[in-house]
Amino acid sequence: DAGVIQSPRHEVTEMGQEVTLRCKPISGHNSLFWYRQTMMRGLELLIYFNNNVPIDDSGMPEDRFSAKMPNASFSTLKIQPSEPRDSAVYFCASSPTGQDAEQYFGPGTRLTVT
Amino acid sequence: KNEVEQSPQNLTAQEGEFITINCSYSVGISALHWLQQHPGGGIVSLFMLSSGKKKHGRLIATINIQEKHSSLHITASHPRDSAVYICAVGRGAQKLVFGQGTRLTINP
Repeated sequence: DAGVIQSPRHEVTEMGQEVTLRCKPISGHNSLFWYRQTMMRGLELLIYFNNNVPIDDSGMPEDRFSAKMPNASFSTLKIQPSEPRDSAVYFCASSPTGQDAEQYFGPGTRLTVT
Repeated sequence: KNEVEQSPQNLTAQEGEFITINCSYSVGISALHWLQQHPGGGIVSLFMLSSGKKKHGRLIATINIQEKHSSLHITASHPRDSAVYICAVGRGAQKLVFGQGTRLTINP
């Protein structure tokens, strides 16, 4: 299995631009998670989906952030408009359905907003 | 106070030493996870446990539910063990809350 795939691996953009991060979970995994990692705050859950349905988006910082999962093999995290404070590493992870299942992380997308 | 506290924040040791990283939490949990993040940035799940002890190679994880405490041990440490080790607790419904991580450096 290829594992969780994220693209792009690096993104540099200017403030005000729209940014779209992409994730392909492991086939057969029903849960998908988006995390953000910064030096100041460490790893934080932004949103997670079960069977393509958003379950908890309480970690989404503000309305500039949105996430979708149109099918079981694809999810996007969009930031519009982007701001310098959005600079971070964004991880996608997937897991089989079930409480406390082990999560498998993608390689992350390093976002820099100038 | 964070819900999940790790200690130490940084740890430097010599190759071969026995390593212990601690994790304390203040809330009820359904499971505790130990993750490893290598300098390249990738995150790997090492253990998930809700009671007792688990062992994988040179790594051992223990949890004491009553004391709300877990430890990660590394025996015969090696420079390739150098990484950030992150404790995370499951609060039910698959939601994880993370500690700030422990940066481990093993010198040859």
